[in-house]
Amino acid sequence: AQSVTQLDSQVPVFEEAPVELRCNYSSSVSVYLFWYVQYPNQGLQLLLKYLSGSTLVESINGFEAEFNKSQTSFHLRKPSVHISDTAEYFCAVRNQGAQKLVFGQGTRLTINP
Amino acid sequence: NAGVTQTPKFRVLKTGQSMTLLCAQDMNHEYMYWYRQDPGMGLRLIHYSVGEGTTAKGEVPDGYNVSRLKKQNFLLGLESAAPSQTSVYFCASSLSGGGSYEQYFGPGTRLTVT
Repeated sequence: AQSVTQLDSQVPVFEEAPVELRCNYSSSVSVYLFWYVQYPNQGLQLLLKYLSGSTLVESINGFEAEFNKSQTSFHLRKPSVHISDTAEYFCAVRNQGAQKLVFGQGTRLTINP
Repeated sequence: NAGVTQTPKFRVLKTGQSMTLLCAQDMNHEYMYWYRQDPGMGLRLIHYSVGEGTTAKGEVPDGYNVSRLKKQNFLLGLESAAPSQTSVYFCASSLSGGGSYEQYFGPGTRLTVT
């Protein structure tokens, strides 16, 4: 069965510092990978996704994630964070051909001024 | 285009009471999902539907029932609420279930069972 592990439940960083949110998955088949963001008191929004092709995918607000098949990872990075990036971030995986998404436990990103 | 909406936004129930959460989407999506979100556990799938008139169990279906009588609506019912069902409930929809299709989420319903 597939599973997703987000290694950090909370990540505090200073504004304009770089950040990496870690995500590892396990699956016996090929997968699609997603990062969702949840701002305070809101639902989840898709941040970026890996389907195929280039292993580096980017979002419109400066985040990027790299699919590493050998390490079964899909870490999320941003070179310089802003206060507005304060949110909870969820990694999710779907086996190709499957109907259901499996979510990680979430990482709460806190930006300090 | 409202996307995915959920009613109500907040609710407090006493143990043993029943209630229904309503999810509506105006994107003509085939698939709809109900999740619960608990601290440190991410989102867990309760039930889902692959089309009007169909439902299927997810990861944590016990204590919940669902119905999809209309394509745009997906109802989640609690027949006899328990404190363990205190959670934030999210509905989501997607055009299709597999492949690249992303899920669109509603704003959530915060339920407290005392």
